[in-house]
Amino acid sequence: KAGVTQTPRYLIKTRGQQVTLSCSPISGHRSVSWYQQTPGQGLQFLFEYFSETQRNKGNFPGRFSGRQFSNSRSEMNVSTLELGDSALYLCASSPGTEASSPLHFGNGTRLTVT
Amino acid sequence: GENVEQHPSTLSVQEGDSAVIKCTYSDSASNYFPWYKQELGKGPQLIIDIRSNVGEKKDQRIAVTLNKTAKHFSLHITETQPEDSAVYFCAASNLNNEKLTFGTGTRLTIIP
Repeated sequence: KAGVTQTPRYLIKTRGQQVTLSCSPISGHRSVSWYQQTPGQGLQFLFEYFSETQRNKGNFPGRFSGRQFSNSRSEMNVSTLELGDSALYLCASSPGTEASSPLHFGNGTRLTVT
Repeated sequence: GENVEQHPSTLSVQEGDSAVIKCTYSDSASNYFPWYKQELGKGPQLIIDIRSNVGEKKDQRIAVTLNKTAKHFSLHITETQPEDSAVYFCAASNLNNEKLTFGTGTRLTIIP
């Protein structure tokens, strides 16, 4: 089975711009979660989608949004980029919605905001 | 909400020695505790997990222990090898077992 695919791998944006990141989950996985990884902060939960519905949301401002399509692929969008949004954004898919359902992570999208 | 603290943030160990990483959690209702390993340039990968009805679990050179009373759990790696060098994350489930809260990570370096 192919793993979780995230595109693009690297992005450089300017403050004030917006960005869209894409995630293709493992075939058959209907749950997709997004995390922000920064040095010292670890993995911060952004949101989780299941069957095109947002199930959980972390403590991020409304500039961070996401969606899931009928084929389980997911996108996240960040509007009005700030320097502090520079981070590695990880997508993870899992076969179920329980916390105990193993997360399968992609290799991430490295976003740099200048 | 759940708060997970992880220590140390960095750890250097001589090859062949053991490494121990510790995590504490705040929500006494948490019942699932996984550990993820993140190699350079890759996403985290689940390496071992433990549920609250078990005190210890082993898988070859790695083991996890859980102390529910003290609300802490630990990852133990024995006979460390260079390929063990990575960042390790602990996590704990929330009350409704809906999502995980991750620790801030430990960068483990194995010295040849």
